[in-house]
This record gives sequence, structure tokens and C-alpha cells, in this order.
Amino acid sequence: QITLKESGPTLVKPTQTLTLTCTFSGLSLSTSGVGVGWIRQPPGKALEWLALIYWNGDEYYSPSLKSRLTITKDTSKNHLVLTMANMDPVDTATYYCANRLGKGNTGAFDVWGQGTMVTVSS
Amino acid sequence: DIVMTQTPLSSPVTLGQPASISCRSSQSLVHSGGSTFLSWLHQRPGQPPRLLIYKISNRLSGVPDRFSGSGAGTDFTLKISRVEAEDVGVYYCMQATQFPWTFGQGTKVEIK
Repeated sequence: QITLKESGPTLVKPTQTLTLTCTFSGLSLSTSGVGVGWIRQPPGKALEWLALIYWNGDEYYSPSLKSRLTITKDTSKNHLVLTMANMDPVDTATYYCANRLGKGNTGAFDVWGQGTMVTVSS
Repeated sequence: DIVMTQTPLSSPVTLGQPASISCRSSQSLVHSGGSTFLSWLHQRPGQPPRLLIYKISNRLSGVPDRFSGSGAGTDFTLKISRVEAEDVGVYYCMQATQFPWTFGQGTKVEIK
């Protein structure tokens, strides 16, 4: 059974860098075909795809946020880290990590973490 | 970016009656490999999204068969044959044919 859990600060100040950790079990980012993504959702708004990393290290980012985002994976600790620089109040959202379904190209997220709410305010 | 447009944005439905949600993409979702990466998710208040359907019409294991997906190219539909109380919430379509993956704006399903 695959589980994912996000962790990080609940409050960050404008201009600070946000660091979120996604800790998972039941999957390994060293296994061929595995992919884990980050998605966020501002309060009362729609989902927004942020980034995706594959087992082979390939990384994909939202073009509008690419300059601010970095994903790093630690396969030995079964977690990955998302950093977002220069935070702004508009970045206030619940941040989710999610597992890409299957080992082949399915283009879907089948298991989601519970999400972590991040508020950007001075 | 591929823009995903859902209609309606709100859908009041009667228990036991069917419901239908449309999702249209700004360009074809047919991947160069021939597959179409369009999925549907359901989100209840305070909960993370839950995957219902992937690659247009494939129901995830455990998803009730009252949910069905169809479509091709740029036009896709999620149908609920008989709405149950647990089906309320917001439904999202998502495309994963081209990076960045993108979501529709969501359709809120509520009981009349």
C-alpha cells in the first residue's frame, strides 16, 4: 500500500523560501517507472500542477514557477523535497504530493497525501 | 499550456438521477504514442482529490461502475449514472499529455 505525507512550515514570510518534504512508503524513487508530483490548491480554488520527478531523475516544472521551484529526491530516505523561493501571499495554498499511477505512462495521480496548508504572511 | 475548460461549473442534481460533466481541452490530448492522458478526480471538502478515471475511460480499482468516462481528441465527459449522496464535491479533469500537466477549474456537484 502506497502512502505519502507532506510536511513543512504552516507559515512563511514573504520573500522567504518554502521547503516541503514528501515522505512516502510502499514505493521507491529508485524503482523504474515511478514518478511523484507536487500539486497545490489555494483556498477555495482549483488544483494547480507544480512539478514532477521520475525515478531516473527527470524533472518537470510548471513554466510559470520554474525559476522558483526545485525538486530533490533522497531515495535512501524515501522522501523528496520541494523548495519554492521568494514566497508571496498568492502562494498561500494546500500543497499535495501524489504518486503517478503505475510504472508505465498512465498520466494520472492515484495516491495523494493529505496535503499541508501553507500561509504566506508577514 | 493546454487549457482545460469544464462545464458546468455547478451542477445541482437529484439523488438517483444521472449527472454529466464536460471537459474540453484547448488542443488535442492524443499523445504521440497514441494514448490520451485525460483523467478525472473527485474531491470532497477538506479531503485530497481521489482519482476516479484515467486515460479517458479506465476506472481505478474500487471506483463504482456508476462512474464512466468517454470522449476523444479535445472533448471528454464524465457521467454518473445514478448520483448518490457520497458523490457530492468537486470534480476535476486533468490532462497529462503535455507538460505542464493542467487541471480544469472544477465542477461542483451538489444535491438539490
